[in-house]
Amino acid sequence: SQQGEEDPQALSIQEGENATMNCSYKTSINNLQWYRQNSGRGLVHLILIRSNEREKHSGRLRVTLDTSKKSSSLLITASRAADTASYFCATENQGGKLIFGQGTELSVKP
Amino acid sequence: GAGVSQSPSNKVTEKGKDVELRCDPISGHTALYWYRQSLGQGLEFLIYFQGNSAPDKSGLPSDRFSAERTGGSVSTLTIQRTQQEDSAVYLCASGGGAKNIQYFGAGTRLSVL
Repeated sequence: SQQGEEDPQALSIQEGENATMNCSYKTSINNLQWYRQNSGRGLVHLILIRSNEREKHSGRLRVTLDTSKKSSSLLITASRAADTASYFCATENQGGKLIFGQGTELSVKP
Repeated sequence: GAGVSQSPSNKVTEKGKDVELRCDPISGHTALYWYRQSLGQGLEFLIYFQGNSAPDKSGLPSDRFSAERTGGSVSTLTIQRTQQEDSAVYLCASGGGAKNIQYFGAGTRLSVL
């Protein structure tokens, strides 16, 4: 299966700390994307990193991609209570199909 | 519309009944996906439409599930003879363009009693 696997499944931190989530996948990809989900409803796109990129920044988000290890990480710096959500990675294969991982549930305590 | 619209937002049905879930994608988006998410779980891919190509139905869990996309726009997911294990949130997403970013609807929460 191409589906990404994320770890940890759950992460609990204090406000102000950094949160790191990891994603591994199995086959060649065009790009890897990270999404956020609040309250079990629709997902919101956060950031996309292409297969020829190694690092991408967006505000307090930093994404890295290591295609040799088939892995990616999402770092949220200076976390806030409002960052509490589930975070999913999604890999796009050569045919353009996106497959999501199982997600990491992040809890940021004030 | 401004975003992906799904209806109904909630659906309660009796075991054995058929249900239809609707998705209105963002205008002009060529890709449309259906996913299923059980409580506290990840997204389970169901079906993928891309332009005029034959849909990728590889994720449909049984022949009770079917989906169509009319005119390259609105999509309907049909579940026949619903079972209790079909209870979940059904999410639709549309996308397009070089980056293939997906835009999600708010989902339909299906409860089969």
